Amino acid sequence: DAGVTQSPTHLIKTRGQQVTLRCSPKSGHDTVSWYQQALGQGPQFIFQYYEEEERQRGNFPDRFSGHQFPNYSSELNVNALLLGDSALYLCASSLRGSGQRSGNTIYFGEGSWLTVV
Amino acid sequence: SQQGEEDPQALSIQEGENATMNCSYKTSINNLQWYRQNSGRGLVHLILIRSNEREKHSGRLRVTLDTSKKSSSLLITASRAADTASYFCAPPAGAGSYQLTFGKGTKLSVIP
Repeated sequence: DAGVTQSPTHLIKTRGQQVTLRCSPKSGHDTVSWYQQALGQGPQFIFQYYEEEERQRGNFPDRFSGHQFPNYSSELNVNALLLGDSALYLCASSLRGSGQRSGNTIYFGEGSWLTVV
Repeated sequence: SQQGEEDPQALSIQEGENATMNCSYKTSINNLQWYRQNSGRGLVHLILIRSNEREKHSGRLRVTLDTSKKSSSLLITASRAADTASYFCAPPAGAGSYQLTFGKGTKLSVIP
């Protein structure tokens, strides 16, 4: 049973460029969330996708966008990269949601390390 | 706003000892999850505890939840060097929210 898989594992981008990160949820899961974790900090919620729609969004600018495909996999896109976007980007999957609304177990992937230079 | 806050920020113990980490949160929750993170890696799910549960066990892990005090604790018994990691509690952000909130975690070092 494959867990949450993310790609790429590491990448380096130049300020102003755009990046796309990819995520495949755990088998049987239909909900994908994205989190950003800066060095020495806890993960911060970016947004959650369910039924190919963005269901909830955290305090991140519009430069951060996403997509969920019919097979439940997801992409995170970040435009106009800033040095401060350097972080570990974590994808999390669950069945029908998470948090207070559903209380289901949430599984995380190994993350994608993004360095902006 | 809701955020899990772990205490202590760092903990260093000898192999074989028990490690206790505490978590406080601000608003009412119906569940809380604990995670482990090895340096530079993803989060590993440890335990989910619901508001109607006071204690839950998984192997050498014991999690308690006191909703009246808005606190939770994670106990690791007979610690091993492989338990060295950061540990996070993750309460939901609040009513109507799908997101989890995280503090800075407790960094546990187990010395062989």
